[in-house]
Amino acid sequence: LAKTTQPISMDSYEGQEVNITCSHNNIATNDYITWYQQFPSQGPRFIIQGYKTKVTNEVASLFIPADRKSSTLSLPRVSLSDTAVYYCLVFRGDYKLSFGAGTTVTVRA
Amino acid sequence: DAGVIQSPRHEVTEMGQEVTLRCKPISGHDYLFWYRQTMMRGLELLIYFNNNVPIDDSGMPEDRFSAKMPNASFSTLKIQPSEPRDSAVYFCASSQDYLVFYEQYFGPGTRLTVT
Repeated sequence: LAKTTQPISMDSYEGQEVNITCSHNNIATNDYITWYQQFPSQGPRFIIQGYKTKVTNEVASLFIPADRKSSTLSLPRVSLSDTAVYYCLVFRGDYKLSFGAGTTVTVRA
Repeated sequence: DAGVIQSPRHEVTEMGQEVTLRCKPISGHDYLFWYRQTMMRGLELLIYFNNNVPIDDSGMPEDRFSAKMPNASFSTLKIQPSEPRDSAVYFCASSQDYLVFYEQYFGPGTRLTVT
């Protein structure tokens, strides 16, 4: 499994854009990049997945450069309810998701 | 759909007792996963099933742990005998099919405390 590295924590304020960058230097050709969100006392929730370039949905955008050695999850105009742990995962289709430590995002008023 | 259902939500038991955790996946989902989450080790995959068949149990910590899926709508994770180090939050998740298995739907979890 490709190893991922992401910041342990990030602080932000309501209304700001939050960008979380994940490093995955040994990503393989068949690997996809997936992000999950986990609120306190809840199970993780799928946010977005991508292979290259940019993917956008109603929750976030995912930017993946051409070399795919990193990816950036962008959360537009965060609110207090976006306070959560965000996990970057790389998988190869082997039906296993390997969760790292994640990034704890704290949004303040 | 009600989502993935887990029971009980909280379980407190004494060391040596048998513990059974239950999960009902989302109807129509082919894959079911059991995870364990602790502060020290994070979120770990224990075992997963495809169409009720266990595919990979390499994450099961030891023989005290066992999991079954007798039908498409029910799975159990059993710990016998339980030990204090088994204290954790246990999540069950399901996904629809191999095309979107990366999109897993997690249940609310069962918080297990072994004293």
